[in-house]
Amino acid sequence: KNEVEQSPQNLTAQEGEFITINCSYSVGISALHWLQQHPGGGIVSLFMLSSGKKKHGRLIATINIQEKHSSLHITASHPRDSAVYICAVRSGGAQKLVFGQGTRLTINP
Amino acid sequence: ETGVTQSPTHLIKTRGQQVTLRCSSQSGHNTVSWYQQALGQGPQFIFQYYREEENGRGNFPPRFSGLQFPNYSSELNVNALELDDSALYLCASSFSDRVYSGYTFGSGTRLTVV
Repeated sequence: KNEVEQSPQNLTAQEGEFITINCSYSVGISALHWLQQHPGGGIVSLFMLSSGKKKHGRLIATINIQEKHSSLHITASHPRDSAVYICAVRSGGAQKLVFGQGTRLTINP
Repeated sequence: ETGVTQSPTHLIKTRGQQVTLRCSSQSGHNTVSWYQQALGQGPQFIFQYYREEENGRGNFPPRFSGLQFPNYSSELNVNALELDDSALYLCASSFSDRVYSGYTFGSGTRLTVV
């Protein structure tokens, strides 16, 4: 079992729908990241969380430390939101990032 | 402030050859991490350098080695390339003293081994 599990692996929705991507982890963490990866490969950091909730534009990220669970929400989704969304936790002696396998999101017009 | 720059962006090598990938860290960052991302998978931690010393390593063989320079830029070297080394190699920099402020990622180097 991977230390970081995301669901769903693939998600297709219509423009305007509310999107939720989930992340569960099994290790102690100092921070959790939500990242966005476009087809070219570059990764953009969306959020860094250690507790509670953060909001940026149409994106909302929450984390429940006791349940070792985080969610990324996208409101009023748009085709430009289509990308792979990756959950990663900062953990371990070297404080390295441990990544989930990613969720491929496709928003159709 | 500058971001993280990786070079080259794409590379094709033959099995058995050696390759060097380069990464310039973001200004003010002192830690560089390298990750390997196979197609359709999440990135896997290769190793991390902090102030020119390796301070963490993932489950990769010794033919994966690295360096960090005084300006905190970094190299990833892979010897005796194998077909399974074909992947996107990502570099990320961060500041790892008292305050953790997150990572900045490069755009990656896509390595194809034929």
